[in-house]
Amino acid sequence: SYELTQPPSVSVSPGQTASITCSGDKLGDKYACWYQQRPGQSPVLVIYQDTKRPSGIPERFSGSNSGNTATLTISGTQAMDEADYYCQAWGTNKVVFGGGTKLTVL
Amino acid sequence: EVQLVESGGGLVKPGGSLRLSCAASGFIFSSSSMNWVRQTPGKGLEWVSSISSGSTYIYYADSVKGRFTISRDNAKNSLYLQMISLGAEDTALYYCARGSASGSGRYYREGHFDSWGQGTLVTVSS
Repeated sequence: SYELTQPPSVSVSPGQTASITCSGDKLGDKYACWYQQRPGQSPVLVIYQDTKRPSGIPERFSGSNSGNTATLTISGTQAMDEADYYCQAWGTNKVVFGGGTKLTVL
Repeated sequence: EVQLVESGGGLVKPGGSLRLSCAASGFIFSSSSMNWVRQTPGKGLEWVSSISSGSTYIYYADSVKGRFTISRDNAKNSLYLQMISLGAEDTALYYCARGSASGSGRYYREGHFDSWGQGTLVTVSS
């Protein structure tokens, strides 16, 4: 079955750039999207169709997808960006989520 | 404004059944694919099931296939999840989410989930 792999945790200093990867077989041939989930809250879509930002999502969030890896990049990371991030793609007749990455801003 | 409100969660004994509902508003429900996603406290997101706008395409995670049934009533703007033979592993917060499916036949695929409800908690315990 199709799997997406994310690093369990990523740390970044305020104002720096954070990159969170999501790996899957030929993921670049599919659309990837990303969700942010703060503690106690429902997930929020931050990137869809590899690179698009929903309205209301800050420009510091960007995405890319090529080969076997999709990447969520947060430029000028702020304390409010500390959260769990999940990638998602369509597998073989199934929706697949990555295991999630805890972003710590310290 | 898109709103998704889940209900029907609660405490159920192992082997029991439960029916979750999701009331949708603020968008054309009959034009949107819909999904159920669950999350065990402190763990990641797990996709449960998807249903296309007209109920033509229905998919399940292997972990629930044969036990859970997704359905929708477009006249009532409502999504449902009938769950039977529940076990401790089904204990989770269940979210309803609006999808963005495209294509047809073997090219059908679910896309991103642009709106989520607040979830309803299902606890399976004796």
